[in-house]
Amino acid sequence: DGGITQSPKYLFRKEGQNVTLSCEQNLNHDAMYWYRQDPGQGLRLIYYSQIVNDFQKGDIAEGYSVSREKKESFPLTVTSAQKNPTAFYLCASSVIAGGLEETQYFGPGTRLLVL
Amino acid sequence: RKEVEQDPGPFNVPEGATVAFNCTYSNSASQSFFWYRQDCRKEPKLLMSVYSSGNEDGRFTAQLNRASQYISLLIRDSKLSDSATYLCVVNSGYSTLTFGKGTMLLVSP
Repeated sequence: DGGITQSPKYLFRKEGQNVTLSCEQNLNHDAMYWYRQDPGQGLRLIYYSQIVNDFQKGDIAEGYSVSREKKESFPLTVTSAQKNPTAFYLCASSVIAGGLEETQYFGPGTRLLVL
Repeated sequence: RKEVEQDPGPFNVPEGATVAFNCTYSNSASQSFFWYRQDCRKEPKLLMSVYSSGNEDGRFTAQLNRASQYISLLIRDSKLSDSATYLCVVNSGYSTLTFGKGTMLLVSP
């Protein structure tokens, strides 16, 4: 089955700890994205990548880091610099980066909670 | 500034009713438009793309009004399973999408 997987489903972070969220896709999509969703809020873009070994900051990149060493994988690290990390994190991918008909498909998400 | 505005609702309707949502966008350069559906605590899923001429998929009809910069979603013969949050999404041609905060629909028996 083709799709996007995210792990873990739930993640607990202690104060001062870095944590990494996994995102893998086997859709052969070029572009991948990380969003954050807070209750009652829209999705906000953290980082995106249009091609391997390249990525761009989104609207709320501070306190986060990413890598894109493989086309299939786009892990997100939530660093200790992110002071309010509790949120629902969604990874997405799309076929054509920058295309006007760019439909994004989402993984099931990871809920991050701070202890 | 990129912005997509939606009425948060909730819209409470009985089964079988017709309900419509509107969404306005601020960037006149926006080129493509989508409606996504998001169930509680789940990921958004593409419901339909919105084309200039309007498009229909079963009970769902989407329309685009470029002059007034709004898109709409019409749901006919509402089902209980239509209960969800509907996200208006706009691609402004900068490799990213802008999401509205969503409109909640509750369909009751």
